[in-house]
Amino acid sequence: KAGVTQTPRYLIKTRGQQVTLSCSPISGHRSVSWYQQTPGQGLQFLFEYFSETQRNKGNFPGRFSGRQFSNSRSEMNVSTLELGDSALYLCASSLSDSISGANVLTFGAGSRLTVL
Amino acid sequence: AQTVTQSQPEMSVQEAETVTLSCTYDTSENNYYLFWYKQPPSRQMILVIRQEAYKQQNATENRFSVNFQKAAKSFSLKISDSQLGDTAMYFCAFMKWGAQKLVFGQGTRLTINP
Repeated sequence: KAGVTQTPRYLIKTRGQQVTLSCSPISGHRSVSWYQQTPGQGLQFLFEYFSETQRNKGNFPGRFSGRQFSNSRSEMNVSTLELGDSALYLCASSLSDSISGANVLTFGAGSRLTVL
Repeated sequence: AQTVTQSQPEMSVQEAETVTLSCTYDTSENNYYLFWYKQPPSRQMILVIRQEAYKQQNATENRFSVNFQKAAKSFSLKISDSQLGDTAMYFCAFMKWGAQKLVFGQGTRLTINP
């Protein structure tokens, strides 16, 4: 069973540019969430999508956006990049059995973004 | 809002020793889950162990076990017979019941020395 796949693994951008990161969840997983990891702020929740709808959003500016497609694949976009956006962006998927509440997130290997 | 605190930024032990990583959390929720994830140098976040708050019995996964003290809001991880492959960052995380959002602690960098 394939795991969570994130592309690209590494990318370098300059300030003011925009970037799109992709995440393919484990087959059958309908929930996809995104996290930003930096040395200073640690791991912070960005947003979560389920059945193409954003269910939860963290405290990030509107430059950070995402979407989910009908096949559960998700993309996140960061516009007008700033130096502080340099981070490891992690995607996680889960079955999201909200009735039982038993949720285990499986993470991808991450996309390392460097903003120059 | 929930917060998770890991008070040990770094720890180092010899191979085969037992090590305990500390985690405390703050929440007003009654139903929730607690997790320990490890992140080796490869960066892949891997689930180590999970605890449901409504269960009094501490979770165990092979060499990994937790000491869950709900009243004290404490959730420590014990690694027995530590191995070189246990070297990683360890994150304690909280999830409210029914949510898909993890709140992470700052992490503990664990090094197992030969």
